[in-house]
Amino acid sequence: NAGVTQTPKFQVLKTGQSMTLQCAQDMNHEYMSWYRQDPGMGLRLIHYSVGAGITDQGEVPNGYNVSRSTTEDFPLRLLSAAPSQTSVYFCASRAGGQGDTQYFGPGTRLTVL
Amino acid sequence: SQQGEEDPQALSIQEGENATMNCSYKTSINNLQWYRQNSGRGLVHLILIRSNEREKHSGRLRVTLDTSKKSSSLLITASRAADTASYFCATITQGGSEKLVFGKGTKLTVNP
Repeated sequence: NAGVTQTPKFQVLKTGQSMTLQCAQDMNHEYMSWYRQDPGMGLRLIHYSVGAGITDQGEVPNGYNVSRSTTEDFPLRLLSAAPSQTSVYFCASRAGGQGDTQYFGPGTRLTVL
Repeated sequence: SQQGEEDPQALSIQEGENATMNCSYKTSINNLQWYRQNSGRGLVHLILIRSNEREKHSGRLRVTLDTSKKSSSLLITASRAADTASYFCATITQGGSEKLVFGKGTKLTVNP
C-alpha cells in the first residue's frame, strides 16, 4: 500500500490564485482530514470527512473548500489564496471509529506571495 | 480552539536520560493519542490510551492518563538521539464529532 499520498510537495502561489491540493489513500479508510501546521501553532484541523459525500468543518475552515466524491480522494481547494494561508498542509486518514490510528501524508508546503 | 496543550514546549536531554512530556486538555474525551513528527515529515502514531485506562506501555514508551485532572504524560525511557522529534497529543472529544484535535507539541532534543 502507498498509504496516504499528497501532491504537490511544494507550491508557490500569488495572492488571489486558486489551486487544489490533492490527497489520496489506498487503505479504504472512511475518515479523512486536512490539517495545517504553522510554527508554534501545532496542527489545526481545516476540514474532515467521515465518508464519501460527507464533509464537515474543523477549527479553521475559512478560505478552504473540500469535497469527497470517492472513498480514496479528498482534495482541498483554495479559491483565492492569501498570504495567511502560507503553511504546511497535511492530509490524514483512519479506518473508522475513534480508536483507530490516524495515518498522515508527507505534507504540502505552500507559500502564498 | 485547540484541545490539548503540551508542556514543556521544548526539552533538551542527554542520550540515556528519560524524557517526560505532559498534555492537558479541556473537555471529556474518549481517548488520547500521542504522535511523533520528525523534522519536515508527517506525523506518526505512537500510542493510544482510552478514557477508562490509566497507564499503557509500548516498548520504551509509557503513557499515563488522569481524567480527573484532564492530563496525560508521555515518558520515553533510555532516550536515543533518534528520539529527537516533536511530540503531539491529540484527543477526540467524548460525545462529540469524529474530529481528532492536536496540541501544539513538545520539541524534544536528545544530545548524543
